[in-house]
Amino acid sequence: NAGVTQTPKFQVLKTGQSMTLQCAQDMNHEYMSWYRQDPGMGLRLIHYSVGAGITDQGEVPNGYNVSRSTTEDFPLRLLSAAPSQTSVYFCASSYATRGTGGGTEAFFGQGTRLTVV
Amino acid sequence: AQSVAQPEDQVNVAEGNPLTVKCTYSVSGNPYLFWYVQYPNRGLQFLLKYITGDNLVKGSYGFEAEFNKSQTSFHLKKPSALVSDSALYFCAVRPTYGGSQGNLIFGKGTKLSVKP
Repeated sequence: NAGVTQTPKFQVLKTGQSMTLQCAQDMNHEYMSWYRQDPGMGLRLIHYSVGAGITDQGEVPNGYNVSRSTTEDFPLRLLSAAPSQTSVYFCASSYATRGTGGGTEAFFGQGTRLTVV
Repeated sequence: AQSVAQPEDQVNVAEGNPLTVKCTYSVSGNPYLFWYVQYPNRGLQFLLKYITGDNLVKGSYGFEAEFNKSQTSFHLKKPSALVSDSALYFCAVRPTYGGSQGNLIFGKGTKLSVKP
């Protein structure tokens, strides 16, 4: 059982380049999300999805796109990278997040360290 | 705005001594409360959670946390610290209603350093 898998682990981009961060989970979780972690800022929610075909914006969505065509995959796209997007990105999944399932914990991937020069 | 505060950027403890990492929150209603730990260059690992019931919850690796509703706090504790406990600790809250319902709101993290 792999859990949440993120690829790549490291990436360097030039300003203006595009790329996709991959995230896959094998736990049949409905809820998936993307966070960015910056020093002294904690984790901030970028986008999330409560199921296949449903996505919504989080706290810091600008410059990022997502889609959820399957339950397993939730890729994060940077359309035109900027130095301000240099960060560590984490994907997470949960069995549920609302109602009686709201108390279930989230599982995190190992992270992608992105540098934009 | 809903928020989670971890007032200490760093906590230093001697091995064998008790440790406390503080967390307070400003979230409406009765949110779910979590603690996660992050070791260097790793993802976040779940430690424990409060859903309902007893205010003292026990989790992984000997950690426990005390929920105080009147103070809206959820402090992480361990009776005897180990050097291997040195890591970054995050408190997180999941609101049960409102615009952020279902999403985790994280504190900024507290770096725990345990010296031999």
